[in-house]
Amino acid sequence: AQSVTQPDIHITVSEGASLELRCNYSYGATPYLFWYVQSPGQGLQLLLKYFSGDTLVQGIKGFEAEFKRSQSSFNLRKPSVHWSDAAEYFCAVGAPNDYKLSFGAGTTVTVRA
Amino acid sequence: EAGVAQSPRYKIIEKRQSVAFWCNPISGHATLYWYQQILGQGPKLLIQFQNNGVVDDSQLPKDRFSAERLKGVDSTLKIQPAKLEDSAVYLCASSPPLAGRYEQYFGPGTRLTVT
Repeated sequence: AQSVTQPDIHITVSEGASLELRCNYSYGATPYLFWYVQSPGQGLQLLLKYFSGDTLVQGIKGFEAEFKRSQSSFNLRKPSVHWSDAAEYFCAVGAPNDYKLSFGAGTTVTVRA
Repeated sequence: EAGVAQSPRYKIIEKRQSVAFWCNPISGHATLYWYQQILGQGPKLLIQFQNNGVVDDSQLPKDRFSAERLKGVDSTLKIQPAKLEDSAVYLCASSPPLAGRYEQYFGPGTRLTVT
């Protein structure tokens, strides 16, 4: 079965600074990988996904993620953070032909002025 | 396009009481999921429907939880009787057919507090 680890529980970043959130997965073959964002009181919104091909994936809101098979990682990045990026971020893994997702525990991002 | 709708948004009950949550998925979405999200954790899948049939309910505590999806559209999740550890946000998600089935669209959730 697949699983996800998000090593950072909480990250604080200054507005305008860069952000990187770590995600490590466990799966025997090439996984399907996702990043979701959850703002307070809201449901989860899909930021980006990776199925195959180019290992650098662009998403919404200026986010990107890079799949590194050798490191079993799918880290999320944003070059310049805005105050509205304060939220909880979840990495998720799925398998081909299995539409269920396994989520990490999440990373809470705080943006300071 | 309307999103996934859930009600109620908040519910407070005492232990051993029963509670029901409702979900209306995005129109045309054949697959529907219920997740439990305990504070400080990621969502955990409880049950997955494909149209009105259950695909996976291996993580559903069937002694107290039940779910149904009427006519392949709306769904209800019930807890009877509730325990303190059931306090969580219950998220409903749906996904479109065919190639879009990997993309799940989430509702705002129902926050349940069991006292």
